[in-house]
Amino acid sequence: EADIYQTPRYLVIGTGKKITLECSQTMGHDKMYWYQQDPGMELHLIHYSYGVNSTEKGDLSSESTVSRIRTEHFPLTLESARPSHTSQYLCASSESTPPNSYNEQFFGPGTRLTVL
Amino acid sequence: AQTVTQSQPEMSVQEAETVTLSCTYDTSESDYYLFWYKQPPSRQMILVIRQEAYKQQNATENRFSVNFQKAAKSFSLKISDSQLGDAAMYFCAYNPYGGSQGNLIFGKGTKLSVKP
Repeated sequence: EADIYQTPRYLVIGTGKKITLECSQTMGHDKMYWYQQDPGMELHLIHYSYGVNSTEKGDLSSESTVSRIRTEHFPLTLESARPSHTSQYLCASSESTPPNSYNEQFFGPGTRLTVL
Repeated sequence: AQTVTQSQPEMSVQEAETVTLSCTYDTSESDYYLFWYKQPPSRQMILVIRQEAYKQQNATENRFSVNFQKAAKSFSLKISDSQLGDAAMYFCAYNPYGGSQGNLIFGKGTKLSVKP
């Protein structure tokens, strides 16, 4: 079944640790996105990718980095986690569509990160 | 800059009744898409309904319908015959027509509770 997966679902770590949040999709989508969502708040785009070897920063500044070596995989890395990184991180993907056509985004279940 | 405002942080409805969630947005664009997304507790965010700004007819998906008023920049969601499974966070989102990022701009969400 085509889907989008995120691991881990929950992560509690100490300050200064390096972490990687995994995101994979089996739908063959070219476009992938990372959103950050604080409790009770809207989602903010922090990274996106239009395809392999393509990554861009989103509207919200983030100290995280991403890579896109394979179409299906879009991991997010924090080199040195801090309490300010505590949040929920949502991954999404969508098809490439012609201009002036909407592209529905499909979301993963999210990773809730707590940095102590 | 485009913004999306959801003025109701929380709403409650009795099972089988009808509820309307409000959303307003600000944009100088004439063509765009609007969406309502549903985020159940600890589950993946899913698309509920979408509306193309160039279409005058309001979108409908089973028990979900929208009231799109372009001049007023208003996009409310009506849920008829509410069910317990409708309890979730609902996010209104905006996407410019042919937006290069495919970037969704989200409101802060409305938490809907359904009482049996």
